[in-house]
Amino acid sequence: AQKVTQAQTEISVVEKEDVTLDCVYETRDTTYYLFWYKQPPSGELVFLIRRNSFDEQNEISGRYSWNFQKSTSSFNFTITASQVVDSAVYFCALSATGANSKLTFGKGITLSVRP
Amino acid sequence: SAVISQKPSRDICQRGTSLTIQCQVDSQVTMMFWYRQQPGQSLTLIATANQGSEATYESGFVIDKFPISRPNLTFSTLTVSNMSPEDSSIYLCSVERLIQETQYFGPGTRLLVL
Repeated sequence: AQKVTQAQTEISVVEKEDVTLDCVYETRDTTYYLFWYKQPPSGELVFLIRRNSFDEQNEISGRYSWNFQKSTSSFNFTITASQVVDSAVYFCALSATGANSKLTFGKGITLSVRP
Repeated sequence: SAVISQKPSRDICQRGTSLTIQCQVDSQVTMMFWYRQQPGQSLTLIATANQGSEATYESGFVIDKFPISRPNLTFSTLTVSNMSPEDSSIYLCSVERLIQETQYFGPGTRLLVL
């Protein structure tokens, strides 16, 4: 069975602070995908990144960076110099590779960035 | 990624009634899914909408309560039947193309049942 744990439930930071959102997963699949989605107050779920299990390179996209560590089954997300617009719920998710693979979501982390 | 729209964006309904939510994609997709997100909770998969055949439901969800249609590769509907206040949620559709193996989500439908 697959499981995604986001132990942090709510994080509050002041603008320009760096913040890291933790994600730990469990799976028996040998190949799998890890995802991060952002859900702003409007409710839409916005895709941020997909990482394949055999690609452990960290990724940076602007102020966003992701640290994938297979040894600790973690896929953490860091926002550098946070902004008010980063305020949202962030979900980590996991799926097996291949067609029609179901997404297993974590419970989400509510990030509040104060001006 | 595909452009996905949902109608209605929000609704307030009386208990015992039914609501049909539409999901439209701007291009053909292989897979379409329906999720429920109860207040303050994570997303739960209701079913996979199969084109031309019955949807595949997850444990805890049944066709009588959540009938789904998918008449073609760009459109699907989810009906929430005989609603109760416990059905108050955000309902989201997602789509996936075979080679992409990534789900993209629609804007969601916020449902409040009184």
